[in-house]
Amino acid sequence: AQSVTQLGSHVSVSEGALVLLRCNYSSSVPPYLFWYVQYPNQGLQLLLKYTSAATLVKGINGFEAEFKKSETSFHLTKPSAHMSDAAEYFCAVQGAANNNDMRFGAGTRLTVKP
Amino acid sequence: DGGITQSPKYLFRKEGQNVTLSCEQNLNHDAMYWYRQDPGQGLRLIYYSQIVNDFQKGDIAEGYSVSREKKESFPLTVTSAQKNPTAFYLCASSMRLSSNQPQHFGDGTRLSIL
Repeated sequence: AQSVTQLGSHVSVSEGALVLLRCNYSSSVPPYLFWYVQYPNQGLQLLLKYTSAATLVKGINGFEAEFKKSETSFHLTKPSAHMSDAAEYFCAVQGAANNNDMRFGAGTRLTVKP
Repeated sequence: DGGITQSPKYLFRKEGQNVTLSCEQNLNHDAMYWYRQDPGQGLRLIYYSQIVNDFQKGDIAEGYSVSREKKESFPLTVTSAQKNPTAFYLCASSMRLSSNQPQHFGDGTRLSIL
């Protein structure tokens, strides 16, 4: 079975600063990994996904994530935070051998200070 | 535009009452899902369906029921047996029940107890 741990339930950065949201996964098979963003009272929107084609994945809104198998990590980064990036971010993992079992992390709430 | 529509946005339930949450998609997706979201716990899978007239229990199916009579529709009933129904409910869909397919989400229904 696979699982996801998001380190830090709250992250606060200043506008223009680097955003780093941490995600570590556990999977007994090669995983597929996803990052989603959720704005208040809305559903989740896909930011990016890793499906083994490339370890550095670029997503929407300037976000990217790097798959590091040796560290079992899939951290989300953005070079320069914008006020509109304030939201909750979820990392999710799905095992390639189990196609009905996507597991979500508990989420990280990002605050951007002016 | 294609998407997932959940209704109502807010719903109140009285003691002993069953309530039904609507989920409709026009993405022509085969697979549909229901999740429950509680603060600090991420998303937990209630039920999923990979094809019309078929559905499977997720991790927390007790106190819930679903139907899948049409490809576009996957309503969720919260029964009186669900003793703690207050939560944010999210419906999602994907092209098929496959590991590398991202899920697309509706904007959710917030259910509260009167």
